Amino acid sequence: GENVGLHLPTLSVQEGDNSIINCAYSNSASDYFIWYKQESGKGPQFIIDIRSNMDKRQGQRVTVLLNKTVKHLSLQIAATQPGDSAVYFCAEIRGSSNTGKLIFGQGTTLQVKP
Amino acid sequence: GAVVSQHPSRVICKSGTSVKIECRSLDFQATTMFWYRQFPKQSLMLMATSNEGSKATYEQGVEKDKFLINHASLTLSTLTVTSAHPEDSSFYICGGAGGQETQYFGPGTRLLVL
Repeated sequence: GENVGLHLPTLSVQEGDNSIINCAYSNSASDYFIWYKQESGKGPQFIIDIRSNMDKRQGQRVTVLLNKTVKHLSLQIAATQPGDSAVYFCAEIRGSSNTGKLIFGQGTTLQVKP
Repeated sequence: GAVVSQHPSRVICKSGTSVKIECRSLDFQATTMFWYRQFPKQSLMLMATSNEGSKATYEQGVEKDKFLINHASLTLSTLTVTSAHPEDSSFYICGGAGGQETQYFGPGTRLLVL
């Protein structure tokens, strides 16, 4: 399958610090990327998206950076709060079709220490 | 963002029985719905894609006769796990897309097969 059954890496940060979560994607033809947040026992929640014709997009306390040269995506969370503790997934739409088929990254667990 | 619901949120059943999971888009019309399964500490694995009124497209390795998907309307899709076995125990999540690429997810259904 597209996803490998690896255990999720963990990022531990102090409350109030900034968090940076990284994601590598494999298909240079992907043109749309989304970050999702998943809390324990819940479905993924949309955070922010970015198209391949952009390299940066900002939301409320979050920024997504896209580096197409090295096929790398990052999510920056400013002033991390305990409520930010969750698993974060990047997802890509492969190709330029509008089928909406998302390919998920392996995910990163964010732990916020009070 | 758009709202997707799932029912039931949790189900326990005996081995050999069938279980139906409903996915509803509450405030938008989901022309395409996606079904995923997620094992603990792993990413989401796409099982199948369904368009309203059409047969579902299954990912490689997913048995279409075991995981029956019906997408009879623009707001409802169902996944039926037939003759469930303990290895089918997982977290099942549906996602809906209303013609745009952004996909919104339900809260998930925890299935435990005894």
